Amino acid sequence: GQQLNQSPQSMFIQEGEDVSMNCTSSSIFNTWLWYKQDPGEGPVLLIALYKAGELTSNGRLTAQFGITRKDSFLNISASIPSDVGIYFCAGPAIKAAGNKLTFGGGTRVLVKP
Amino acid sequence: GAVVSQHPSWVICKSGTSVKIECRSLDFQATTMFWYRQFPKQSLMLMATSNEGSKATYEQGVEKDKFLINHASLTLSTLTVTSAHPEDSSFYICSARRIAGGLYEQYFGPGTRLTVT
Repeated sequence: GQQLNQSPQSMFIQEGEDVSMNCTSSSIFNTWLWYKQDPGEGPVLLIALYKAGELTSNGRLTAQFGITRKDSFLNISASIPSDVGIYFCAGPAIKAAGNKLTFGGGTRVLVKP
Repeated sequence: GAVVSQHPSWVICKSGTSVKIECRSLDFQATTMFWYRQFPKQSLMLMATSNEGSKATYEQGVEKDKFLINHASLTLSTLTVTSAHPEDSSFYICSARRIAGGLYEQYFGPGTRLTVT
């Protein structure tokens, strides 16, 4: 089946830093969705991407749909403490039945002690 | 807009009993809803796809008689965990798909923490 490889698995941030994470797949995706999940909560949709090469921002967040349609990245600029959480990429592979989403393993963002 | 609610947010039940979880799309109609299960520190695992007015489609390895899904209206889907056992304890999250202009987005509920004692 389709797999999404998300990296890094975890990262420590210091307030004010820019952070970046990405997802890659062996399959072509026609949509990329980026979510953030706080502990004990459901994922919240951050950014949706629909076209190869598309670059979309949502406040301090910027995400891009890779030209090959097999990857996407998410950047957080000037991180703040509330950016802590787990970020998931997701998307329906182009051949996914019913456009079911495949999820990456998540990137856990933590604050540097 | 695009709010999905779940009820209850948490439930504790005894082994052998059944538990029903409701998922509602509050401000949009959803012909398709999804039920996920999430274990600690893991990603979301799709259990089944719920289609309004028809039978749910279950993922491989998910027992349909164990996890009963009903999608009776365009804004409500329910998941019933029948004869629950401790191994069914988990975080269950529903999701609803919204389609606008041919593009779709998928929104998640806040999740239901099920603990079976």
